[in-house]
Amino acid sequence: GESVGLHLPTLSVQEGDNSIINCAYSNSASDYFIWYKQESGKGPQFIIDIRSNMDKRQGQRVTVLLNKTVKHLSLQIAATQPGDSAVYFCAEKMQGAQKLVFGQGTRLTINP
Amino acid sequence: DTAVSQTPKYLVTQMGNDKSIKCEQNLGHDTMYWYKQDSKKFLKIMFSYNNKELIINETVPNRFSPKSPDKAHLNLHINSLELGDSAVYFCASSQDTDYGYTFGSGTRLTVV
Repeated sequence: GESVGLHLPTLSVQEGDNSIINCAYSNSASDYFIWYKQESGKGPQFIIDIRSNMDKRQGQRVTVLLNKTVKHLSLQIAATQPGDSAVYFCAEKMQGAQKLVFGQGTRLTINP
Repeated sequence: DTAVSQTPKYLVTQMGNDKSIKCEQNLGHDTMYWYKQDSKKFLKIMFSYNNKELIINETVPNRFSPKSPDKAHLNLHINSLELGDSAVYFCASSQDTDYGYTFGSGTRLTVV
C-alpha cells in the first residue's frame, strides 16, 4: 500500500505486505532527511536518514528513497509486521540550518 | 541506560499556574531541543541550545523560558499557563545540528 503525505494521513496494509509512506518536502535547499517512527505514548524514534548526495539508502527491512527533482521522499517497509503500527514522520533540514522541520505524519495500521 | 529522560510524564494543572518540565541526556550530545506536539500530531520546534547557549527561539510566547544549567540538561519553565498550552512536549538531543535527534518519551501537559 502507499500513502501520499499530507493528503492521506492514514495507511492500512495487510500484515506481510510491503508499505510505502510518502513525503513531499518543502525546501529545495534541504540536504538532510530523516524518517521517524512514533508509537503511541512514546517519543519519535529514529529509523533511517539520507543526505542529499544520495538517492537511496537501505536499513533493516526499510529503504528510503530521495527524489530531489520533485522534492519527494519515501519510506519503504518490507514485510510489514504488527509492530510497525505507528505514526511515521519525515523530517528535513536545510543546508546551514540548525533545526529539523517535521512533516505532518502518516499513521500506519496493520490488518491481520 | 543511555537516553533522553524528561519528567514528569504527565502534568495536569490549572490555568494561570506556573510549571516546569525537566530534561536530561546522558548521550554526551552538545545540542538539545524542545518540541511541541499538538493534538494533530504536528511537531514544531520551540527552542534549541548548543553547549548551554540558545541558538533557536521560534515564535514562542515569553511565558515559555528554557534554561540550560549545563549541556546535559535543558529545562522548560512555563508561566501563567493557558488552555492552549495543552500538548505533548518533547525534549531531544543531537551531536551537533547535522545529525538525527534522540527524543525523550514526552510530557503530556493538560491545562484545565
